[in-house]
Amino acid sequence: EAGVTQSPTHLIKTRGQQATLRCSPISGHTSVYWYQQALGLGLQFLLWYDEGEERNRGNFPPRFSGRQFPNYSSELNVNALELEDSALYLCASSLASGGGYTFGSGTRLTVV
Amino acid sequence: QQQVKQSPQSLIVQKGGISIINCAYENTAFDYFPWYQQFPGKGPALLIAIRPDVSEKKEGRFTISFNKSAKQFSLHIMDSQPGDSATYFCAASRSSGNTGKLIFGQGTTLQVKP
Repeated sequence: EAGVTQSPTHLIKTRGQQATLRCSPISGHTSVYWYQQALGLGLQFLLWYDEGEERNRGNFPPRFSGRQFPNYSSELNVNALELEDSALYLCASSLASGGGYTFGSGTRLTVV
Repeated sequence: QQQVKQSPQSLIVQKGGISIINCAYENTAFDYFPWYQQFPGKGPALLIAIRPDVSEKKEGRFTISFNKSAKQFSLHIMDSQPGDSATYFCAASRSSGNTGKLIFGQGTTLQVKP
């Protein structure tokens, strides 16, 4: 069974640009979660998508947004990039929210 | 009330020793408590999880102890091995009023010395 796949692995952007990160969940998983892992700040919840709808978002500004497609894959968009957006962005999926999540290996976003 | 506090921040253990990581939570609505293991350059991987209806769960060398009244839970790694060297995260979530939000502790970096 393929795990959660994320692309790209690494992304370098200039401050003010936009970044798009992609995630494919495990087959059969309908919920997708996005987390930010910044150095020294642990894992911060960003967004939860289920059945194509945004169900919850963490304490992040509106320039962090995303969507979930009919095939349950998901996209995270970060607009007007700031230096402090540099982090590892992790996607996870699950069958039913509140249970065990399976994480991808993440996208390392560097803003210069 | 949404926080999960994890300690210690880092831990050094000799090979064969016991590694113990502790977590505490405030929200009594939490009813799912997983532990994740993360190696450098990888995403966190689910190690073991417990629900509040049991006080202990063991899987191989890994044991979760859960104290509902104290709102604390801990991970014990028996016979620690160098391959266990990684960052460990505790987490908590709730099923009711589902937010889909898994709240993570700050992480513990474990180093097992040969």
